[in-house]
Amino acid sequence: GAVVSQHPSWVICKSGTSVKIECRSLDFQATTMFWYRQFPKQSLMLMATSNEGSKATYEQGVEKDKFLINHASLTLSTLTVTSAHPEDSSFYICSAPQGLAGGWTDTQYFGPGTRLTVL
Amino acid sequence: AQKVTQAQTEISVVEKEDVTLDCVYETRDTTYYLFWYKQPPSGELVFLIRRNSFDEQNEISGRYSWNFQKSTSSFNFTITASQVVDSAVYFCALRDAGGKLIFGQGTELSVKP
Repeated sequence: GAVVSQHPSWVICKSGTSVKIECRSLDFQATTMFWYRQFPKQSLMLMATSNEGSKATYEQGVEKDKFLINHASLTLSTLTVTSAHPEDSSFYICSAPQGLAGGWTDTQYFGPGTRLTVL
Repeated sequence: AQKVTQAQTEISVVEKEDVTLDCVYETRDTTYYLFWYKQPPSGELVFLIRRNSFDEQNEISGRYSWNFQKSTSSFNFTITASQVVDSAVYFCALRDAGGKLIFGQGTELSVKP
């Protein structure tokens, strides 16, 4: 299957600092990428849809100014958690659809995730 | 509204037992896609299968098999002769017309030796 990478795999930061997480599609191009958040023992919750060349689309309840998304190229999307607080500690996962049509029928492949701990 | 329900929160079996993970979905779309993903303790989601709404054929891949029944809106997943390495959280997901994946709550499978 397609390969999606994330960096860093884990990060510990102090409260009030900003953290950037990168998501890369390694062997295919992705005009759209998705960012999810997962708390322990819970399911994945979609945070936002990252669109190359345009603004991200955020899900209801997700703060746009806190979770900045930049889709810089067809293989890279970044999520920046600004002024992080302990309640932002979570597992962040990105995904990218890959398939023939480049559309909604594609299969989403997931990155390995980034575990963020805010002290 | 789109919804995926995995009623089994946790399942524990002994190695070599067969186990079925249930998935029930709700959607008003006539065209949709269903997925199963495996999340081992490492956290990475591993794609297992994709099925579109027009293809009700059951599928078998090694020890894995899937039973898709539109009449009951179910897409169940069976592991035959389970192994310890099958221990993971398994997610069923529905892709809506907008391209978003809607996940079920997940079923944590524990296979004991």
